[in-house]
Amino acid sequence: EVQLVESGGGLVKPGGSLRLSCAASGFSLSTYSMNWVRQAAGKGLEWVSSISSTGDYKYYADSLKGRLTISRDNAKNSLFLHMSSLRAEDTAIYYCARMNYDLSDAFDIWGQGTMVTVSS
Amino acid sequence: SYELTQSPSVSVSPGQTARITCSGDALPKQYAFWYQQRPGQAPVLVIYKDTERPSGIPERFSASSSGTTVTLTISGVQAEDEADYYCQSADSSGTYWVFGGGTTLTVL
Repeated sequence: EVQLVESGGGLVKPGGSLRLSCAASGFSLSTYSMNWVRQAAGKGLEWVSSISSTGDYKYYADSLKGRLTISRDNAKNSLFLHMSSLRAEDTAIYYCARMNYDLSDAFDIWGQGTMVTVSS
Repeated sequence: SYELTQSPSVSVSPGQTARITCSGDALPKQYAFWYQQRPGQAPVLVIYKDTERPSGIPERFSASSSGTTVTLTISGVQAEDEADYYCQSADSSGTYWVFGGGTTLTVL
């Protein structure tokens, strides 16, 4: 079964850091560009970051640039998001999503998300 | 920054047709995608490349594109279609992804 499973969320104090992971199964991560998308409680989806299949190209939402680092380990079929200088407004569910070139770069597979809570 | 605009809510009775619109200046140049998100669940892709339906998505889901507006149409709405729907596209450079604010479909 094609699946993405996020982990690494939790409670962190303002100004702290966190590293999210996304484990892929049922397909080879190395073939796909990947994304992180977040959703605050009761709010809409917000694209966070993208990384190309090889990891050579990385893109970040302007509002988050400088505080995020996206990375991947294709050998371990895993995607990561390192977040620093966290703020209360970063509190959200963070989803990883596969970008499928065959579907014109649609986000065709999503994980169930991992919750990040930034609070003192 | 680039924005996609959706109406906040749509309400229809079962069996009727629901139409959800999404507007954005770059939509004539960039593909649009639609996602369904039921409460407490991850989003699911229902339309890609403006009008294409992925395998496994019911035929009652369709979409169209005209200028700066794209429209998701759900024909013969069923109770299970009650969800939030989000459009997605890229900015004019094709570098950054953007989601619309979402439309809540209520089945009366």
